[in-house]
Amino acid sequence: NAGVTQTPKFQVLKTGQSMTLQCAQDMNHEYMSWYRQDPGMGLRLIHYSVGAGITDQGEVPNGYNVSRSTTEDFPLRLLSAAPSQTSVYFCASSYAQGAFGEQYFGPGTRLTVT
Amino acid sequence: GDSVTQMEGPVTLSEEAFLTINCTYTATGYPSLFWYVQYPGEGLQLLLKATKADDKGSNKGFEATYRKETTSFHLEKGSVQVSDSAVYFCALRSNNDMRFGAGTRLTVKP
Repeated sequence: NAGVTQTPKFQVLKTGQSMTLQCAQDMNHEYMSWYRQDPGMGLRLIHYSVGAGITDQGEVPNGYNVSRSTTEDFPLRLLSAAPSQTSVYFCASSYAQGAFGEQYFGPGTRLTVT
Repeated sequence: GDSVTQMEGPVTLSEEAFLTINCTYTATGYPSLFWYVQYPGEGLQLLLKATKADDKGSNKGFEATYRKETTSFHLEKGSVQVSDSAVYFCALRSNNDMRFGAGTRLTVKP
């Protein structure tokens, strides 16, 4: 199994550009999520999904959109990039909803917005 | 809302020293608690977890006990190795929301 994969690994955008960060998992996990990691702040939840067709907001959803058309894929869209969105983005998946599920993380996408 | 507070780093230890990284949490429900480790340039990996009060999670010589009375989940290891150098994150998961601490960078010197 490849686990959780993310593309691209690095990306530089100009302010106002849009782009999609890709995330895929091959473990048949129902739960998937996106986080951003900023220095001194740990990881913060952006959006999550408990299954195909179902998404919900996390702690910091503004400026990001998600969709979940298949169990495997969970792309994150930046609608109009801003310098405040410079961060490292991690996708994760879990076999279980609720409190008990251990999450498996992808390798991350480092995004710089100039 | 729910939150996690962990001791600030960086922490620098000599090989074979005892490690403690403090973690306390605030939660309205009954969360599960986790420690994740991040090596340079990689994503997070689960180190250990505990799903209810008084549970002890353990892995690779690390352990942590879910203390509901003190709302704590401190990470300990009796004898650290150079290979333990990484960033450690305490986290809680309540329903579908997950909250992380800010992370503690550990450096172990030979």
